[in-house]
Amino acid sequence: KQEVTQIPAALSVPEGENLVLNCSFTDSAIYNLQWFRQDPGKGLTSLLLIQSSQREQTSGRLNASLDKSSGRSTLYIAASQPGDSATYLCAVMTDSNYQLIWGAGTKLIIKP
Amino acid sequence: NAGVTQTPKFRILKIGQSMTLQCTQDMNHNYMYWYRQDPGMGLKLIYYSVGAGITDKGEVPNGYNVSRSTTEDFPLRLELAAPSQTSVYFCASSYRTEAFFGQGTRLTVV
Repeated sequence: KQEVTQIPAALSVPEGENLVLNCSFTDSAIYNLQWFRQDPGKGLTSLLLIQSSQREQTSGRLNASLDKSSGRSTLYIAASQPGDSATYLCAVMTDSNYQLIWGAGTKLIIKP
Repeated sequence: NAGVTQTPKFRILKIGQSMTLQCTQDMNHNYMYWYRQDPGMGLKLIYYSVGAGITDKGEVPNGYNVSRSTTEDFPLRLELAAPSQTSVYFCASSYRTEAFFGQGTRLTVV
C-alpha cells in the first residue's frame, strides 16, 4: 500500500532564505507526483507536476525534483517571501488506478 | 473557465440529517474524486469514478454514497450525518495527469 510522508510537519524561516520541503513515498510505481499549496480555509492550488519519467520541474522560484528509485521528492523554494506562507502538500498518483495518495503536508511560515 | 465547481461552500447539519454535496466539472475529464480533509491531515479518498456510470470506493467510503450519471457531475451523498463526518470535502477531476480541485465544502455536523 502506497504511503506518503512529509517532513517536517512545520517549518518557520526568516524571509529571504532558500528552503527545502521533503516528500517520501513507499512504492515507486507512480504515474506522477504533484505539489500543491493550500492557504488557510482555502482550496488547493497545483504548483508543480512531475511525470514519473521526469527528474525535475521548475516554475519561477520553485523547483521540484523526483527520485523514484529512492522514493523521494523535494520542493525547493528560493528567496522565500512572507506570501509563501501556506501548507504545502505532495500527492502521488498511482499508476494502477490513477488515485492520488497524499502526505499530511508541511506548514510553512516565512517571517518578515 | 469554471474548472471544478463545488456547492455549497459551507453547511451545518444536525446529526441524522442528509445532504448532497454537488460537484461539476467542465473539462470533460473522465476521472473524478471526492476527498475529505481533517484538521492537520492530508486528504483521504472517499469515492472515485473513472467515467460515467462507474464508481468505486476509496479509503474512507463508510457513510457516503456517490453516483456518476454524466461525465460532468459527481455528487456525494451523506445519508445519516454523524459528528465524525465534520470535515472539509474536496472534489477533483483529472485525465490521468494533473488533478484540478474545487474550492471545498466545509461541513459541520452538530
